[in-house]
Amino acid sequence: AQSVTQPDARVTVSEGASLQLRCKYSSSGTPYLFWYVQYPRQGLQLLLKYYSGDPVVQGVNGFEAEFSKSNSSFHLRKASVHWSDSAVYFCVLSPLSGSFNKLTFGAGTRLAVCP
Amino acid sequence: EAAVTQSPRNKVAVTGGKVTLSCNQTNNHNNMYWYRQDTGHGLRLIHYSYGAGSTEKGDIPDGYKASRPSQENFSLILELATPSQTSVYFCASGNWGGSYEQYFGPGTRLTVL
Repeated sequence: AQSVTQPDARVTVSEGASLQLRCKYSSSGTPYLFWYVQYPRQGLQLLLKYYSGDPVVQGVNGFEAEFSKSNSSFHLRKASVHWSDSAVYFCVLSPLSGSFNKLTFGAGTRLAVCP
Repeated sequence: EAAVTQSPRNKVAVTGGKVTLSCNQTNNHNNMYWYRQDTGHGLRLIHYSYGAGSTEKGDIPDGYKASRPSQENFSLILELATPSQTSVYFCASGNWGGSYEQYFGPGTRLTVL
């Protein structure tokens, strides 16, 4: 069975500070990994995705994530956060095997950026 | 222009009543999905569809039915709504293979009294 764990339910940072949101996954093979963001009263939007190649992937709005097979992790980072980054962030996994791209979601991390 | 739309955006229903949530996508994707989102959980899959005329059970299908009358439309039906079905419901679309990502609608907030 596959799973995604986001150990931090809530993270608070000051505007301009750096950010890391943690994600650990469990999968029988190499999965597709995603980070989605959910702004208040909106649907989920894709930030970035990883399948293979360079373990550091770039996303929108200055976000990046680093894949580590040895640690089964896919942490999200940003060098300098803005108040508009306040949102809920989901780490998501999709298996590559099987006939259907069923997504497994982490519980989400709520990010609050303080002025 | 929004590619996945949902209606209604907000709904208040009574226990035992029938509720239909609608989803429309203009992405021309084969696959469509219904999820619910509750505090402390990520999104959980209720039903999904491979294409017009098909529906499949997801991880938490009990109490829900789905209908896919066309490529563009996918409905979620609560025949006998219960307070435990109070939640935010998201529809998504995606295609076979490729990058496996899904595209989400804005959500429907359902309250069952």
